[in-house]
Amino acid sequence: NAGVMQNPRHLVRRRGQEARLRCSPMKGHSHVYWYRQLPEEGLKFMVYLQKENIIDESGMPKERFSAEFPKEGPSILRIQQVVRGDSAAYFCASSPRPGAGADTQYFGPGTRLTVL
Amino acid sequence: GENVEQHPSTLSVQEGDSAVIKCTYSDSASNYFPWYKQELGKGSQLIIDIRSNVGEKKDQRIAVTLNKTAKHFSLHITETQPEDSAVYFCAARGRRGGGADGLTFGKGTHLIIQP
Repeated sequence: NAGVMQNPRHLVRRRGQEARLRCSPMKGHSHVYWYRQLPEEGLKFMVYLQKENIIDESGMPKERFSAEFPKEGPSILRIQQVVRGDSAAYFCASSPRPGAGADTQYFGPGTRLTVL
Repeated sequence: GENVEQHPSTLSVQEGDSAVIKCTYSDSASNYFPWYKQELGKGSQLIIDIRSNVGEKKDQRIAVTLNKTAKHFSLHITETQPEDSAVYFCAARGRRGGGADGLTFGKGTHLIIQP
């Protein structure tokens, strides 16, 4: 059973470009979470999605950031018009379903975004 | 919202000794507390977790304790080995809904095992 997969592992963008980060959850998992990690910091929650639904986006900036988890295919975190402050590691996690014992989050290896 | 404080930021112990990392949380409604290990260039690996209906949980050399009254929880690693060297993050999650679906993480502890 492959773990959570993220790609690309490293992404370099110039200011003003768009960044698209992809996350494929573990097999059988229908819940995806995105986190951002700045250097020397813990992970900060951004958004929680189920298939075709955004459940909680309280941690995601209102502008330039969007996320989706379509019926088919990976979850996408999209950052439009990137700025240097968007440079960070972005981690995706997945879980099977809500409810005690089945909501443990398993993390992917992350995408390191560098904005020049 | 939830706020998680983690101490120390760096911990150096001799191989074979024990290591203890402590976290406090602010939201009394939080009911799930996982610990993750992050190695350089890798994602975070869940090493142990505890729910608010138990006070202690153990898995081989790793144990976690939870004090709900004081709102703190700790990670204990015994008989430390070089491969335990990593950054460890504690996290807390409150009740579902109301923006509480994601985990709130501490800032991490860099654990160094001295040979």
